[in-house]
Amino acid sequence: ILNVEQSPQSLHVQEGDSTNFTCSFPSSNFYALHWYRWETAKSPEALFVMTLNGDEKKKGRISATLNTKEGYSYLYIKGSQPEDSATYLCAFPGYSSASKIIFGSGTRLSIRP
Amino acid sequence: DAGVIQSPRHEVTEMGQEVTLRCKPISGHDYLFWYRQTMMRGLELLIYFNNNVPIDDSGMPEDRFSAKMPNASFSTLKIQPSEPRDSAVYFCASTYGGVSGNTIYFGEGSWLTVV
Repeated sequence: ILNVEQSPQSLHVQEGDSTNFTCSFPSSNFYALHWYRWETAKSPEALFVMTLNGDEKKKGRISATLNTKEGYSYLYIKGSQPEDSATYLCAFPGYSSASKIIFGSGTRLSIRP
Repeated sequence: DAGVIQSPRHEVTEMGQEVTLRCKPISGHDYLFWYRQTMMRGLELLIYFNNNVPIDDSGMPEDRFSAKMPNASFSTLKIQPSEPRDSAVYFCASTYGGVSGNTIYFGEGSWLTVV
């Protein structure tokens, strides 16, 4: 059974502050790690798909790092803005490219103006 | 590209009724997924198809749930009979070439309420 865990469950951050949260996944049989951003009443949207140990990806003020050996990924948001308020999901495909993808329960981020 | 299209967007039905949710994946995508979002379990995979063939349906809650993909551009998720505990948001998603290195694209969801 695959376990994908995210922490913290929720986070309240002052506008302008930077923040980060964690996704932990099984370190064996790694294929990829996905990050999605999910706004209330909308559908999840992809942020990053990361496949290589040491990978670092960036999209505007959001960046992510990957450590496949120890089984974790960090998502960073620099200079949080109200529009960053959302749930951030990480997802982990199992043992092959054709396997089911397991989603973590997410980190719910709220930005205080 | 129109994206993944789901219908209906919202449905309220009475317990015991049949519910059919529909999905049109992105053209050219060969994988289609049905997810359910609940407060208790988050986003859980119900079933996925590759080239219209069901690959893993181990997430389907029980026999009341069934899913079909008669062709590359259409899939249905059916609940018969529906129960109040089936109330959730059901997402359809698609991708090309598997999920290892490829983004999954989600539809806007079907919000189901069973009363």
